[in-house]
Amino acid sequence: SSELTQDPAVSVALGQTVRITCQGDSLRTSYASWYQQKPGQAPVLVIYARNNRPSGIPDRFSDSSSGNTASLTITGAQAEDEADYYCNSRDSSGNPVVFGGGTKLTVL
Amino acid sequence: QVQLQESGPALVKPSETLSLTCTLSGGSISSFYWSWIRQPPGKGLEWIGYIYYSGSSNYDPSLKSRVTISLDTSKNQFSLKLTSVTAADTAVYYCARQNSGTTWDAFDIWGQGTMVTVPS
Repeated sequence: SSELTQDPAVSVALGQTVRITCQGDSLRTSYASWYQQKPGQAPVLVIYARNNRPSGIPDRFSDSSSGNTASLTITGAQAEDEADYYCNSRDSSGNPVVFGGGTKLTVL
Repeated sequence: QVQLQESGPALVKPSETLSLTCTLSGGSISSFYWSWIRQPPGKGLEWIGYIYYSGSSNYDPSLKSRVTISLDTSKNQFSLKLTSVTAADTAVYYCARQNSGTTWDAFDIWGQGTMVTVPS
């Protein structure tokens, strides 16, 4: 399969922990990367290569994976974390790059 | 600080060719993969293709027949050409640096994006 599936929307209470998942066969052999996109802005990389954070990304963002599922966890969600989140991975079926459909995170 | 900036027409007529250029500043284009990604209004991200600094390229199979990505190392630029556009090609177009490892790819630097409209 060349698809990555994400829940369309997830909500979390301020200060609580939320997990955003990404499912697809390609995740059995490649790591997911995660992006945060706020309205009107370009995406920002928050996690890559199994739990690596670029400089400036808070450590409340973390990644885990099991089988065909990758999960982005935000521990102690903040109001500024409200955004769309996308995963991507390398695909083995001929398409080098595939993105998930995105998850809209609402912080209540 | 490495930065990317897209440039090109905001409006392209149906059946014509969409042409965009991405200019890199603060670094050299002579390494990494360089990608184009688009986002139709209200929708998700779609990878279009990449070019490697060596000149090799790879494209999304659904767009492959219409896409060409090229590189101009002397100008620190790479470009996108998408032929025979339709309203379905209306999107924000982003250029991005693609960093890759053995089992991962990550777009770690993005341009601000440029909206391209193809009227129906």
